[in-house]
Amino acid sequence: AQSVSQHNHHVILSEAASLELGCNYSYGGTVNLFWYVQYPGQHLQLLLKYFSGDPLVKGIKGFEAEFIKSKFSFNLRKPSVQWSDTAEYFCAVNAYTGRRALTFGSGTRLQVQP
Amino acid sequence: EPEVTQTPSHQVTQMGQEVILRCVPISNHLYFYWYRQILGQKVEFLVSFYNNEISEKSEIFDDQFSVERPDGSNFTLKIRSTKLEDSAMYFCASSDGQGFTDTQYFGPGTRLTVL
Repeated sequence: AQSVSQHNHHVILSEAASLELGCNYSYGGTVNLFWYVQYPGQHLQLLLKYFSGDPLVKGIKGFEAEFIKSKFSFNLRKPSVQWSDTAEYFCAVNAYTGRRALTFGSGTRLQVQP
Repeated sequence: EPEVTQTPSHQVTQMGQEVILRCVPISNHLYFYWYRQILGQKVEFLVSFYNNEISEKSEIFDDQFSVERPDGSNFTLKIRSTKLEDSAMYFCASSDGQGFTDTQYFGPGTRLTVL
């Protein structure tokens, strides 16, 4: 069974700082990878996803993530955060086996201070 | 942009009572899902539903749980006899089912409190 680890539970940054949130998964086969964001009081929204091809994927709102297969990682990055990026960020994976169930990490709460 | 909707937003019930959580998936989607998040814990998969039957379920989804698509738009999760440990946020999701790389879109969740 796959699992997902997000090592940063709570991150506090000032506006304009760069962001990198870690995500590591454990699964030996091909995976689909996702980052979801949950703004305060709102539902989970897809930020970006990786299925195949270019390991550097770009999502909405200036976010990007890089899939490094050798490290089983899919870290989320943004060069310059804004106060409006304050939210909880979830990494998720499903195995490319026909099963559709997503396995989520524990989430990272990002607080951006103005 | 189409969205998944869920009702109610908050449900309070007594232990042992039955609850039904409702979801309206995105209209052209074929796969439907329920996840839950106990406070302070990870979002966990419960069940997926396709073509009017369960396609996958987790160990959490025991005989106390059932799902149904009673009409062309609603998708429900029923908990027959609620326990204190069922208190959680329940998320519905749907996807278009196009291959194994489709994306799941989530609703806002129903917070279930069991007293």
